[in-house]
Amino acid sequence: DAGVIQSPRHEVTEMGQEVTLRCKPISGHNSLFWYRQTMMRGLELLIYFNNNVPIDDSGMPEDRFSAKMPNASFSTLKIQPSEPRDSAVYFCASSLVARGVLVANQPQHFGDGTRLSIL
Amino acid sequence: RKEVEQDPGPFNVPEGATVAFNCTYSNSASQSFFWYRQDCRKEPKLLMSVYSSGNEDGRFTAQLNRASQYISLLIRDSKLSDSATYLCVVTPSGSARQLTFGSGTQLTVLP
Repeated sequence: DAGVIQSPRHEVTEMGQEVTLRCKPISGHNSLFWYRQTMMRGLELLIYFNNNVPIDDSGMPEDRFSAKMPNASFSTLKIQPSEPRDSAVYFCASSLVARGVLVANQPQHFGDGTRLSIL
Repeated sequence: RKEVEQDPGPFNVPEGATVAFNCTYSNSASQSFFWYRQDCRKEPKLLMSVYSSGNEDGRFTAQLNRASQYISLLIRDSKLSDSATYLCVVTPSGSARQLTFGSGTQLTVLP
């Protein structure tokens, strides 16, 4: 079975450029999560969607970050303009929520992540 | 206070040793509990769920103490391949859909 698929795996770009990260969740999962991980701050939830609708974006750092989920099989996280402090590993995860709660034995499955470096 | 707190380690133990990690959570309304494992430069992966009665999966045993608001992970007969960062994870109050991750405990098993 295909897991969560993220692209690109690595991105190196200069500050000020627009960065777009992509995610394809596991087929059948109805919730999608974007995380950022750094050494200093650990794993931080940025935003999550349920049935393609953004539910909680309180973790999005600032207006330079935006996320969309146009359909059940695709989501993007965009940073515009990018800054060096945005350098991190960005993970996408998906899960199945039934009757408002996570399915216990498969809470979240993560993609391989995108390693982003802003110069 | 962080919602989920873990001793960051590192824990360096010899092969075959037994090692235990603890994790405390601040919100008594947390509903579900998990341990995830993250290898260096890889994504987090579910290791095991933690049930109220405690549960075991091979060499791994997880315990939950709701009164004291902590969960634990015990690894017996540790292997070199157990070297990783172990993340304590809870569902926060008010939402059973999302997870809050601890910052992780780093384990290195030495030959």
